[in-house]
Amino acid sequence: AQKVTQAQTEISVVEKEDVTLDCVYETRDTTYYLFWYKQPPSGELVFLIRRNSFDEQNEISGRYSWNFQKSTSSFNFTITASQVVDSAVYFCALSEASSDMRFGAGTRLTVKP
Amino acid sequence: SQTIHQWPATLVQPVGSPLSLECTVEGTSNPNLYWYRQAAGRGLQLLFYSVGIGQISSEVPQNLSASRPQDRQFILSSKKLLLSDSGFYLCAWSPFSTYEQYFGPGTRLTVT
Repeated sequence: AQKVTQAQTEISVVEKEDVTLDCVYETRDTTYYLFWYKQPPSGELVFLIRRNSFDEQNEISGRYSWNFQKSTSSFNFTITASQVVDSAVYFCALSEASSDMRFGAGTRLTVKP
Repeated sequence: SQTIHQWPATLVQPVGSPLSLECTVEGTSNPNLYWYRQAAGRGLQLLFYSVGIGQISSEVPQNLSASRPQDRQFILSSKKLLLSDSGFYLCAWSPFSTYEQYFGPGTRLTVT
């Protein structure tokens, strides 16, 4: 069965610090997809990124970067030079080709000014 | 572009009352549709998903039901609400044959 673990329940940083959110997954499939979502205080989940299991290339989008490592079954998310607007709950999720998306428990990030 | 709507945004209902939450998607056809529940301070629980009109799959046996009367409409219902039904209900859609899901603004339900 697929499983996603976000061991960090809450993280608090000061503005401009870098922060990494950890995500470890379990799956028996060779084809799967990994995702990160952001849930700001308003509640709506915002899609950030999708990676498929055949593409381990790291990705950077502005201050956001993602490190996908199949050897450790991890898909970590780093925010560089964090800002107060980054404060939110971040969810990692896994979808196997033949099943639905499973979410981790989420990590609450608080960025203090 | 595609948009997803949910209403109402907030709802306070007494125990034992019925429930109807609606979700509609615009700008796409034949989407996969999903209902999730998020209890306070917790993760997301998949309740139902649908790959087409009248096709509903339930993930968790419970007091709720779902229906898809039209291609882009997904309804979550209950005949009698329980206190444990309180939570934040999110509707999501995904394009057919892809895997990322896009979420609506959610409905915050409080059962008193």
